[in-house]
Amino acid sequence: EVQLVESGGGLVQPGGSLRLSCAGSGFTFSDHYMDWARQAPGKGLEWVGRIRNKANSYSKEYAASVKGRFSISRDDSQNSVYLQMNSLKTEDTAVYYCVRGGYGSGHYFSDCWGQGTLVTVSS
Amino acid sequence: DIQMTQSPSSLSASVGDRVTITCRASQGISNYLVWFQQKPGKAPKSLIYDASSLQSGVPSKFSGSGSGTDFTLTISSLQPEDFATYYCQQYNSYPLTFGGGTKVESK
Repeated sequence: EVQLVESGGGLVQPGGSLRLSCAGSGFTFSDHYMDWARQAPGKGLEWVGRIRNKANSYSKEYAASVKGRFSISRDDSQNSVYLQMNSLKTEDTAVYYCVRGGYGSGHYFSDCWGQGTLVTVSS
Repeated sequence: DIQMTQSPSSLSASVGDRVTITCRASQGISNYLVWFQQKPGKAPKSLIYDASSLQSGVPSKFSGSGSGTDFTLTISSLQPEDFATYYCQQYNSYPLTFGGGTKVESK
């Protein structure tokens, strides 16, 4: 069974930093792209970013709203992906989800989601 | 960025009804579209990928169609467990973008 378990959420002041972790199991972690997505309270879903697999040089993509402030990394030996969040703003308050990239007919899509971890940015 | 517009934003339906949700992309995305179901307090669950391929383990009452800019998700016979919010997402190009969601409520 595919499992993704996020950790590291909590309360942080504006301008602060936080690092989220996600541990994957039940699949060959190193084969997959991994995404982060978020959902502000009572709002819709927002894609945050992606890290590709080793075959694709671990290259990354980010949403404009987080580019330059957030950074995604992964450690395939630990079956884990990370989201380093710096210069946090109140509008970054959200549940953050770790998402596995599944491969369809040509592109990777978000196929399995973790349970999420809440990040609250407030003074 | 590609804008994804879902309609309606909410609908009321009864058990046994056929329900159709529409997603429109601001530019062509081929068939690179996924549909999710999300229940309150839970993570999204993928239902359909590549616009019309049923995700493993998802019941066949869910179906998807479309290509280019116009897509639909259909629930053939609504059941109590299907009351939820549904989202589409394009994965043709970055940034990946979601529709605003469609909340399916009980009439």
